Amino acid sequence: QQQVKQSPQSLIVQKGGISIINCAYENTAFDYFPWYQQFPGKGPALLIAIRPDVSEKKEGRFTISFNKSAKQFSLHIMDSQPGDSATYFCAASMSTRQFYFGTGTSLTVIP
Amino acid sequence: GAVVSQHPSWVICKSGTSVKIECRSLDFQATTMFWYRQFPKQSLMLMATSNEGSKATYEQGVEKDKFLINHASLTLSTLTVTSAHPEDSSFYICSVGGQWFQGYTFGSGTRLTVV
Repeated sequence: QQQVKQSPQSLIVQKGGISIINCAYENTAFDYFPWYQQFPGKGPALLIAIRPDVSEKKEGRFTISFNKSAKQFSLHIMDSQPGDSATYFCAASMSTRQFYFGTGTSLTVIP
Repeated sequence: GAVVSQHPSWVICKSGTSVKIECRSLDFQATTMFWYRQFPKQSLMLMATSNEGSKATYEQGVEKDKFLINHASLTLSTLTVTSAHPEDSSFYICSVGGQWFQGYTFGSGTRLTVV
């Protein structure tokens, strides 16, 4: 049972464009929603995270939008760059600290 | 976040042998560490939660006798893949975290290839 559903599976964006990745969850007990970036052969790195009492969080070119009623959250990468090409995972966690990951989105930013 | 060191970064072993992977928390005393497994182009699947000084908690479907976890100190957890077989070939990643809302730091991963 996939606790967190992520889409799209892959995404190709032109340099300077906006990359948007979406995630949805069912368990309303989740209270922490991070996004991780992973390069080939490396472990995931925390990119940005949000808690459900906030509808949006922005850090540089990365923004999380959170819709609590719809149980959805998304990652927006503004001004996408070739260096952003990586796999992105959304995740959800409860205070028990167990994380559930989405299936991942392979982002390719073409020059 | 915590600084995590995972070793080795890659290992090749013969079928039937055992392999130990180390996960160290360099700047944080971690009572809990997590072990994940990731197949190519797939997501991370939690294998087990490593608890300092006590038995690990395994996820459903993970063989605890095959994947031995030891968390003997606040800075070190080890995962031993016993009697490895080619189907155990995968990318194994540990994670360490402070307060749950601070997010978890992942190790750089270990690529295990069983031949």
